[in-house]
Amino acid sequence: DGGITQSPKYLFRKEGQNVTLSCEQNLNHDAMYWYRQDPGQGLRLIYYSQIVNDFQKGDIAEGYSVSREKKESFPLTVTSAQKNPTAFYLCASTLRVENTEAFFGQGTRLTVV
Amino acid sequence: QQQVKQSPQSLIVQKGGISIINCAYENTAFDYFPWYQQFPGKGPALLIAIRPDVSEKKEGRFTISFNKSAKQFSLHIMDSQPGDSATYFCAASKTQGGSEKLVFGKGTKLTVNP
Repeated sequence: DGGITQSPKYLFRKEGQNVTLSCEQNLNHDAMYWYRQDPGQGLRLIYYSQIVNDFQKGDIAEGYSVSREKKESFPLTVTSAQKNPTAFYLCASTLRVENTEAFFGQGTRLTVV
Repeated sequence: QQQVKQSPQSLIVQKGGISIINCAYENTAFDYFPWYQQFPGKGPALLIAIRPDVSEKKEGRFTISFNKSAKQFSLHIMDSQPGDSATYFCAASKTQGGSEKLVFGKGTKLTVNP
């Protein structure tokens, strides 16, 4: 089945540590996205990538980094510079940036302990 | 600048009632308006979508009404069921003439009481 796989589902991080969230898609989509979801805040865009080896900052990129070395993979690193990293993180993809349906992964819940 | 404003933030409806969620947008270049449904602990999934060349689209109990002049669109859930309890997001994007990513509303948490 085609889709987006995020791992892990739950992640705990100590303060001051970097942590990487995985996102893999087998939909052959060009564009991939990372969103952060907090209660009452909706979906806030962190980074997106239109094509391999290219990515753009979203609305809340500070404290995050990404890479897009393969079409299928778009990992997100939450760095120690992110002051409030506890949140639900969602990865998504579209055929192209301007295309219609976005497919989402099941999310990773990150908790700083 | 919030490009898509969604209301209400939360909604409680009795089983069998009609749930109505509203969204307003600012960018007149938007030409695609989807609604996403998200259950707790899951990722959102596309529920229904409309383009501005029609004023209404219906799929089962779900209907989108679109008012281009007012720059507003709404989701109506007829005969609401407890299984419809979820968070609903409206969104908008420009799909023609250049790259524009989806812009989401802040979401509406719908609770349907049995």
